[in-house]
Amino acid sequence: GDSVTQMEGPVTLSEEAFLTINCTYTATGYPSLFWYVQYPGEGLQLLLKATKADDKGSNKGFEATYRKETTSFHLEKGSVQVSDSAVYFCALSWYGGSQGNLIFGKGTKLSVKP
Amino acid sequence: DTGVSQDPRHKITKRGQNVTFRCDPISEHNRLYWYRQTLGQGPEFLTYFQNEAQLEKSRLLSDRFSAERPKGSFSTLEIQRTEQGDSAMYLCASSPGTSGRADEQYFGPGTRLTVT
Repeated sequence: GDSVTQMEGPVTLSEEAFLTINCTYTATGYPSLFWYVQYPGEGLQLLLKATKADDKGSNKGFEATYRKETTSFHLEKGSVQVSDSAVYFCALSWYGGSQGNLIFGKGTKLSVKP
Repeated sequence: DTGVSQDPRHKITKRGQNVTFRCDPISEHNRLYWYRQTLGQGPEFLTYFQNEAQLEKSRLLSDRFSAERPKGSFSTLEIQRTEQGDSAMYLCASSPGTSGRADEQYFGPGTRLTVT
């Protein structure tokens, strides 16, 4: 079945460091891909998405490019801040058919130190 | 847009008791989803509704679980004869269903269930 695999955390970085969180997926076809973020004590929030190959999603300085050749959707940010400390979830969905639910990875916890 | 709300935020119950959770989606959203999240894991899909119709149920949703969405507005998730393995965070999400952002799901804060 469809699945999402994320790099294991926790990831600890100093402020202004470069961030990469790896995400790969297994699916037959080309699903939509998402990154969600969960800040401490808050609910899941959509961070960015890409709906077709080579699309780049971006938001709040974060970017991810839909790579069908490597079935990947890695999350990047050039300079992290303490306020980026959160758990990041990669997910896929097949909206448009009878389904539409998200399939999530296990999440990667990011801690940014001042 | 007041966001997705869930009630209660926390529930502690004894094994064998029944519990019911409520979700109020964003008002114009016609799709509503339930997920379960355990510690250290990503959310897992349970079921979803298009308006009042329940269109999909995961095999995670045993016979002890039932969900409703009367009139296509709020939804309830009931767990009968709770077991310790039911302890988790139960998340609700909604999506517009019929717009350019139809695939974007907006999550509520969750209901944390502890079965003792």
